[in-house]
Amino acid sequence: EAQVTQNPRYLITVTGKKLTVTCSQNMNHEYMSWYRQDPGLGLRQIYYSMNVEVTDKGDVPEGYKVSRKEKRNFPLILESPSPNQTSLYFCASSGPILLAKNIQYFGAGTRLSVL
Amino acid sequence: DAKTTQPTSMDCAEGRAANLPCNHSTISGNEYVYWYRQIHSQGPQYIIHGLKNNETNEMASLIITEDRKSSTLILPHATLRDTAVYYCIVLGGTYKYIFGTGTRLKVLA
Repeated sequence: EAQVTQNPRYLITVTGKKLTVTCSQNMNHEYMSWYRQDPGLGLRQIYYSMNVEVTDKGDVPEGYKVSRKEKRNFPLILESPSPNQTSLYFCASSGPILLAKNIQYFGAGTRLSVL
Repeated sequence: DAKTTQPTSMDCAEGRAANLPCNHSTISGNEYVYWYRQIHSQGPQYIIHGLKNNETNEMASLIITEDRKSSTLILPHATLRDTAVYYCIVLGGTYKYIFGTGTRLKVLA
């Protein structure tokens, strides 16, 4: 089954304790992206990657890092989490714009609480 | 990419058609209209997209006006499971999705 898998689904941590949220897709997609969703603000893009070793900032990249060493994986790293990073996070992937019609497939989400 | 305007919320009776409007008056010629929905706090789910012709798939129909400045997503026989937030997105040849706050559709029994 084609899917985007995020782990963990729920995470409670404390300020300053480094964490990684993993994202994996099995569709051989080039494009992957991370979003955060906060009440009243919709989904905002954090980082995206056009292909292996190619990443770029989205709209709200501060406090986050990403890497794309393999095509299928796109982990989100919070080096020193702070309470304002408490949010619902989504990973998404898409194939080539023309072939995949620019349709994004989303993971189930990771709910992060930073105390 | 063009911005979109959607009503904040709508109600629809179960079994009736749900018509969700979207204004995108600044859309340019190569930009498509996409619709996604998000049920509760799950990941957004693709519904349909179109350029200028009306489109239909197993989930919904998309009607785009001739001047392409607005569109309507139609769920022909809404069920309780269609209760969700619906996002209208306009996108050209980039991956830069801009999600607004969408329309919260509530299907009433």
